[in-house]
Amino acid sequence: DGGITQSPKYLFRKEGQNVTLSCEQNLNHDAMYWYRQDPGQGLRLIYYSQIVNDFQKGDIAEGYSVSREKKESFPLTVTSAQKNPTAFYLCASSTQRGARGYTFGSGTRLTVV
Amino acid sequence: KNQVEQSPQSLIILEGKNCTLQCNYTVSPFSNLRWYKQDTGRGPVSLTIMTFSENTKSNGRYTATLDADTKQSSLHITASQLSDSASYICVVSATPVSGTYKYIFGTGTRLKVLA
Repeated sequence: DGGITQSPKYLFRKEGQNVTLSCEQNLNHDAMYWYRQDPGQGLRLIYYSQIVNDFQKGDIAEGYSVSREKKESFPLTVTSAQKNPTAFYLCASSTQRGARGYTFGSGTRLTVV
Repeated sequence: KNQVEQSPQSLIILEGKNCTLQCNYTVSPFSNLRWYKQDTGRGPVSLTIMTFSENTKSNGRYTATLDADTKQSSLHITASQLSDSASYICVVSATPVSGTYKYIFGTGTRLKVLA
């Protein structure tokens, strides 16, 4: 079955650490996205990539970094520069322009300890 | 400014009852509107999608309506079940001049169905 897989489901980060969230899809989608979800707020776009080896900043990119070396994979690194990283992170994929909407992963909950 | 507003923020109903969730938007140029269901700790799953010319779309016990003139949509849940307990997110997309479609997310309505 085609789908999009995020791992791990739960992640704990110490102050000053970088952590990487994994996102893999086998839907043959060109575009991939990272969103952050906080209680009482809509999803906010962190980064997106329409094609391999290219990505664009979203609305809240500061303190995050991404790479897109393979079509299937779009890992997100939460760096120590992100001052408030505790949140639920969602990865999504779509056809290149996103006209048919997104398929979402099941999310990663990141907590700073 | 493109915005999507949902109401109520939260809702509690008894199992078997019906309910209606609201979504108002100011998105231009409008492309389509989707309702997603998000279980706690999970990713959103699409329930319905409506384009400008559609005013009703059903998916089982879920029925979405769209009034493009007033820029309002509703999601009606019939004969609610405990498994309907979730957040329901309204998402409106804007047709791009070029590049990718832009998706504007509402903050969601959290529904709790009680036995």
